[in-house]
Amino acid sequence: QVQLVQSGAEVKKPGASVKVSCKASGYTFTSYYMHWVRQAPGQGLEWMGIINPSGGSTSYAQKFQGRVTMTRDTSTSTVYMELSSLRSEDTAVYYCARVLVAGDYADNAFDIWGQGTMVTVSS
Amino acid sequence: SYVLTQPPSVSVAPGQTARITCGGNNIGSKSVHWYQQKPGQAPVLVVYDDSDRPSGIPERFSGSNSGNTATLTISRVEAGDEADYYCQVWDSSSDYVFGTGTKVTVL
Repeated sequence: QVQLVQSGAEVKKPGASVKVSCKASGYTFTSYYMHWVRQAPGQGLEWMGIINPSGGSTSYAQKFQGRVTMTRDTSTSTVYMELSSLRSEDTAVYYCARVLVAGDYADNAFDIWGQGTMVTVSS
Repeated sequence: SYVLTQPPSVSVAPGQTARITCGGNNIGSKSVHWYQQKPGQAPVLVVYDDSDRPSGIPERFSGSNSGNTATLTISRVEAGDEADYYCQVWDSSSDYVFGTGTKVTVL
Protein backbone atom coordinates (compact mmCIF):
# COMPACT_ATOMS: atom_id res chain seq x y z
CA GLN A 1 0.00 0.00 0.00
CA VAL A 2 1.01 3.59 -0.49
CA GLN A 3 2.73 4.96 2.57
CA LEU A 4 5.19 7.53 3.83
CA VAL A 5 7.36 6.65 6.81
CA GLN A 6 9.22 9.43 8.56
CA SER A 7 12.25 9.40 10.81
CA GLY A 8 12.01 9.55 14.57
CA ALA A 9 11.69 12.38 17.03
CA GLU A 10 14.55 14.85 17.45
CA VAL A 11 15.70 17.15 20.23
CA LYS A 12 17.94 20.01 19.18
CA LYS A 13 19.54 23.04 20.76
CA PRO A 14 18.86 26.54 19.48
CA GLY A 15 21.05 27.36 16.52
CA ALA A 16 21.44 23.75 15.44
CA SER A 17 20.04 22.07 12.33
CA VAL A 18 17.70 19.13 11.95
CA LYS A 19 17.20 16.81 8.98
CA VAL A 20 13.98 14.81 8.76
CA SER A 21 13.50 11.97 6.29
CA CYS A 22 10.38 10.63 4.60
CA LYS A 23 10.58 7.25 2.85
CA ALA A 24 7.95 6.53 0.24
CA SER A 25 6.69 3.12 -0.84
CA GLY A 26 3.88 1.58 -2.85
CA TYR A 27 3.98 3.97 -5.82
CA THR A 28 6.31 5.49 -8.41
CA PHE A 29 8.33 7.89 -6.28
CA THR A 30 9.33 10.25 -9.08
CA SER A 31 5.78 10.78 -10.34
CA TYR A 32 4.35 12.70 -7.40
CA TYR A 33 5.39 16.01 -5.88
CA MET A 34 5.97 16.02 -2.13
CA HIS A 35 5.20 18.74 0.41
CA TRP A 36 6.43 19.48 3.91
CA VAL A 37 3.97 20.87 6.45
CA ARG A 38 4.50 21.62 10.10
CA GLN A 39 2.26 22.01 13.12
CA ALA A 40 3.33 23.70 16.33
CA PRO A 41 1.79 22.37 19.56
CA GLY A 42 -1.89 23.30 19.70
CA GLN A 43 -1.64 25.26 16.46
CA GLY A 44 -2.75 24.87 12.87
CA LEU A 45 -1.05 23.54 9.76
CA GLU A 46 1.71 25.57 8.10
CA TRP A 47 3.07 24.88 4.61
CA MET A 48 6.86 24.89 4.34
CA GLY A 49 7.69 23.89 0.79
CA ILE A 50 7.47 21.40 -2.05
CA ILE A 51 9.91 19.23 -3.96
CA ASN A 52 9.65 17.51 -7.30
CA PRO A 53 11.22 14.10 -6.68
CA SER A 54 11.82 13.66 -10.40
CA GLY A 55 14.19 16.55 -11.04
CA GLY A 56 14.75 17.76 -7.49
CA SER A 57 13.38 21.26 -8.07
CA THR A 58 12.00 22.99 -5.00
CA SER A 59 9.84 25.90 -3.92
CA TYR A 60 9.85 27.18 -0.35
CA ALA A 61 7.47 29.32 1.66
CA GLN A 62 8.88 32.81 1.98
CA LYS A 63 8.96 32.44 5.75
CA PHE A 64 11.52 29.65 5.51
CA GLN A 65 13.63 30.91 2.62
CA GLY A 66 17.30 30.66 3.51
CA ARG A 67 16.71 28.25 6.40
CA VAL A 68 15.11 25.21 4.75
CA THR A 69 16.52 22.77 2.21
CA MET A 70 14.53 19.94 0.65
CA THR A 71 16.31 17.16 -1.19
CA ARG A 72 15.58 13.68 -2.44
CA ASP A 73 17.33 10.38 -3.05
CA THR A 74 15.66 8.48 -5.86
CA SER A 75 17.66 5.32 -5.13
CA THR A 76 15.90 4.96 -1.78
CA SER A 77 12.65 6.82 -2.59
CA THR A 78 13.31 9.22 0.24
CA VAL A 79 12.82 12.95 0.57
CA TYR A 80 14.55 15.06 3.19
CA MET A 81 13.81 18.36 4.88
CA GLU A 82 16.61 20.18 6.64
CA LEU A 83 15.89 23.23 8.77
CA SER A 84 18.79 25.29 10.10
CA SER A 85 19.30 27.99 12.73
CA LEU A 86 16.66 26.39 14.88
CA ARG A 87 14.83 28.43 17.49
CA SER A 88 12.22 27.53 20.08
CA GLU A 89 9.42 28.58 17.72
CA ASP A 90 10.44 25.73 15.40
CA THR A 91 9.25 23.18 17.95
CA ALA A 92 6.58 21.33 16.00
CA VAL A 93 5.49 18.14 14.32
CA TYR A 94 6.82 18.02 10.77
CA TYR A 95 4.88 16.11 8.11
CA CYS A 96 5.66 15.09 4.58
CA ALA A 97 2.60 14.83 2.33
CA ARG A 98 2.26 13.49 -1.19
CA VAL A 99 0.05 15.18 -3.77
CA LEU A 100 -3.09 13.47 -5.03
CA VAL A 101 -2.50 13.64 -8.78
CA ALA A 102 0.72 12.56 -10.45
CA GLY A 103 2.68 15.14 -12.36
CA ASP A 104 0.80 18.15 -10.99
CA TYR A 105 1.31 20.48 -8.06
CA ALA A 106 -0.68 23.72 -8.16
CA ASP A 107 -4.26 22.87 -7.19
CA ASN A 108 -3.34 19.37 -6.12
CA ALA A 109 -4.61 18.17 -2.74
CA PHE A 110 -2.35 16.63 -0.10
CA ASP A 111 -3.34 12.99 -0.36
CA ILE A 112 -0.99 10.75 1.62
CA TRP A 113 0.67 11.99 4.81
CA GLY A 114 3.57 10.67 6.82
CA GLN A 115 3.06 9.90 10.49
CA GLY A 116 4.85 13.08 11.54
CA THR A 117 8.18 13.78 13.22
CA MET A 118 8.31 15.73 16.46
CA VAL A 119 11.17 18.21 16.57
CA THR A 120 11.82 19.86 19.91
CA VAL A 121 14.14 22.86 20.15
CA SER A 122 15.28 23.50 23.68
CA SER A 123 18.40 24.61 25.46
CA SER B 1 -1.13 37.18 1.42
CA TYR B 2 -4.23 35.06 1.01
CA VAL B 3 -6.13 34.32 4.22
CA LEU B 4 -8.64 31.55 4.93
CA THR B 5 -10.92 32.08 7.92
CA GLN B 6 -12.76 29.29 9.71
CA PRO B 7 -14.92 29.34 12.85
CA PRO B 8 -12.89 28.08 15.82
CA SER B 9 -15.52 25.56 16.84
CA VAL B 10 -18.71 23.88 15.76
CA SER B 11 -20.88 21.74 18.02
CA VAL B 12 -23.40 19.24 16.74
CA ALA B 13 -25.57 16.47 18.14
CA PRO B 14 -25.17 12.92 16.84
CA GLY B 15 -27.27 12.32 13.75
CA GLN B 16 -27.49 16.00 12.91
CA THR B 17 -25.64 17.98 10.22
CA ALA B 18 -22.44 19.95 10.78
CA ARG B 19 -21.46 22.75 8.42
CA ILE B 20 -17.94 24.17 8.54
CA THR B 21 -17.26 27.34 6.60
CA CYS B 22 -14.03 28.58 5.05
CA GLY B 23 -13.97 32.21 4.03
CA GLY B 24 -11.56 33.76 1.55
CA ASN B 25 -11.54 36.49 -1.05
CA ASN B 26 -13.22 35.07 -4.16
CA ILE B 27 -12.54 31.55 -2.91
CA GLY B 28 -15.16 30.34 -5.37
CA SER B 29 -12.56 30.72 -8.13
CA LYS B 30 -10.16 28.32 -6.39
CA SER B 31 -10.09 24.58 -5.72
CA VAL B 32 -10.70 23.91 -2.03
CA HIS B 33 -9.52 20.83 -0.19
CA TRP B 34 -10.55 19.71 3.30
CA TYR B 35 -8.64 17.69 5.89
CA GLN B 36 -9.71 15.94 9.06
CA GLN B 37 -7.21 15.66 11.91
CA LYS B 38 -7.83 13.66 15.04
CA PRO B 39 -5.68 14.19 18.16
CA GLY B 40 -2.18 12.81 17.79
CA GLN B 41 -2.74 11.78 14.17
CA ALA B 42 -1.74 13.09 10.78
CA PRO B 43 -4.37 14.91 8.72
CA VAL B 44 -6.57 12.92 6.36
CA LEU B 45 -7.97 14.28 3.09
CA VAL B 46 -11.78 14.09 3.18
CA VAL B 47 -12.81 16.35 0.27
CA TYR B 48 -10.79 17.64 -2.68
CA ASP B 49 -11.50 19.97 -5.58
CA ASP B 50 -14.42 21.54 -3.70
CA SER B 51 -16.68 18.49 -3.63
CA ASP B 52 -14.93 15.24 -4.58
CA ARG B 53 -14.29 12.49 -2.06
CA PRO B 54 -11.22 10.24 -1.97
CA SER B 55 -11.92 6.54 -1.92
CA GLY B 56 -12.85 5.33 1.53
CA ILE B 57 -14.38 8.60 2.68
CA PRO B 58 -18.09 8.22 3.55
CA GLU B 59 -20.71 9.95 1.44
CA ARG B 60 -21.71 11.81 4.59
CA PHE B 61 -18.84 14.21 3.83
CA SER B 62 -19.61 16.71 1.10
CA GLY B 63 -18.35 20.09 0.00
CA SER B 64 -19.42 23.19 -1.87
CA ASN B 65 -17.72 26.41 -2.92
CA SER B 66 -19.12 29.69 -4.19
CA GLY B 67 -18.39 33.38 -3.90
CA ASN B 68 -16.34 34.06 -0.80
CA THR B 69 -17.23 30.92 1.15
CA ALA B 70 -16.52 27.22 0.87
CA THR B 71 -18.40 24.77 3.07
CA LEU B 72 -17.72 21.27 4.33
CA THR B 73 -20.91 19.48 5.32
CA ILE B 74 -20.97 16.38 7.51
CA SER B 75 -24.36 14.68 7.45
CA ARG B 76 -25.63 12.23 10.08
CA VAL B 77 -22.73 13.13 12.36
CA GLU B 78 -21.16 10.32 14.37
CA ALA B 79 -18.97 10.41 17.47
CA GLY B 80 -16.02 9.39 15.29
CA ASP B 81 -16.30 12.62 13.31
CA GLU B 82 -15.07 14.63 16.28
CA ALA B 83 -11.83 16.21 15.07
CA ASP B 84 -10.20 19.36 13.77
CA TYR B 85 -10.97 20.27 10.17
CA TYR B 86 -8.85 22.43 7.90
CA CYS B 87 -9.58 23.91 4.50
CA GLN B 88 -6.73 24.54 2.06
CA VAL B 89 -6.20 26.22 -1.30
CA TRP B 90 -3.38 27.06 -3.66
CA ASP B 91 -2.94 30.75 -4.40
CA SER B 92 -0.54 31.97 -7.08
CA SER B 93 0.80 34.68 -4.77
CA SER B 94 0.71 32.90 -1.42
CA ASP B 95 1.37 29.31 -2.54
CA TYR B 96 -0.36 26.74 -0.31
CA VAL B 97 -2.61 28.18 2.37
CA PHE B 98 -4.41 26.40 5.19
CA GLY B 99 -7.42 27.70 7.03
CA THR B 100 -7.29 28.48 10.72
CA GLY B 101 -8.99 25.21 11.61
CA THR B 102 -12.33 24.26 13.16
CA LYS B 103 -12.81 21.94 16.10
CA VAL B 104 -15.93 19.84 15.67
CA THR B 105 -17.45 18.63 18.92
CA VAL B 106 -20.11 15.94 18.94
CA LEU B 107 -22.42 16.59 21.87
